[in-house]
Amino acid sequence: QKEVEQNSGPLSVPEGAIASLNCTYSDRGSQSFFWYRQYSGKSPELIMSIYSNGDKEDGRFTAQLNKASQYVSLLIRDSQPSDSATYLCAVRNQAGTALIFGKGTTLSVSS
Amino acid sequence: KAGVTQTPRYLIKTRGQQVTLSCSPISGHRSVSWYQQTPGQGLQFLFEYFSETQRNKGNFPGRFSGRQFSNSRSEMNVSTLELGDSALYLCASSLRDRGGTEAFFGQGTRLTVV
Repeated sequence: QKEVEQNSGPLSVPEGAIASLNCTYSDRGSQSFFWYRQYSGKSPELIMSIYSNGDKEDGRFTAQLNKASQYVSLLIRDSQPSDSATYLCAVRNQAGTALIFGKGTTLSVSS
Repeated sequence: KAGVTQTPRYLIKTRGQQVTLSCSPISGHRSVSWYQQTPGQGLQFLFEYFSETQRNKGNFPGRFSGRQFSNSRSEMNVSTLELGDSALYLCASSLRDRGGTEAFFGQGTRLTVV
């Protein structure tokens, strides 16, 4: 099974700072990449998708993709305490028949 | 537009029993996938269905099975339950199974095996 790796954290940042979350994947043929946010006791919520190399911005969130390096990242600008959650990186396999998740990075934003 | 609906939300079963979980996808979505989430292992892929066909299966024993109906609703079954099967089982639906397809999760079924 192809793998997706994330630092488990916790990643602690002060309110207003930029949080940087990273992810690497092993399936070189993957074409679709996603970031989910999961609050404790809740199900994962899709926050970003990215398919092409480069940056994609949506509000305070920016996803970055580098297929050559097999690397995906998520930047959260102006971090808020409400951003405290586990962030899951997900990669769809080359065949498109499975979405593989990393184990997640726990983010803590202190006020 | 209604989201992904999973039933039941909570289940308590005894070792050796079997259990069936249900998932109704977002209207119009034809792909359903299932995941097991535990604190130690994270989100692990179980299987993915599209148009009633299993397209992929994760590394789980044969006790775990599933199916998809013509209306895209899906069920998964776990037979001969073990204590280690205690987990949050999540279902996600997608508009189609290939390419840049975003998956949306239901609230999950919390299974406890005693």
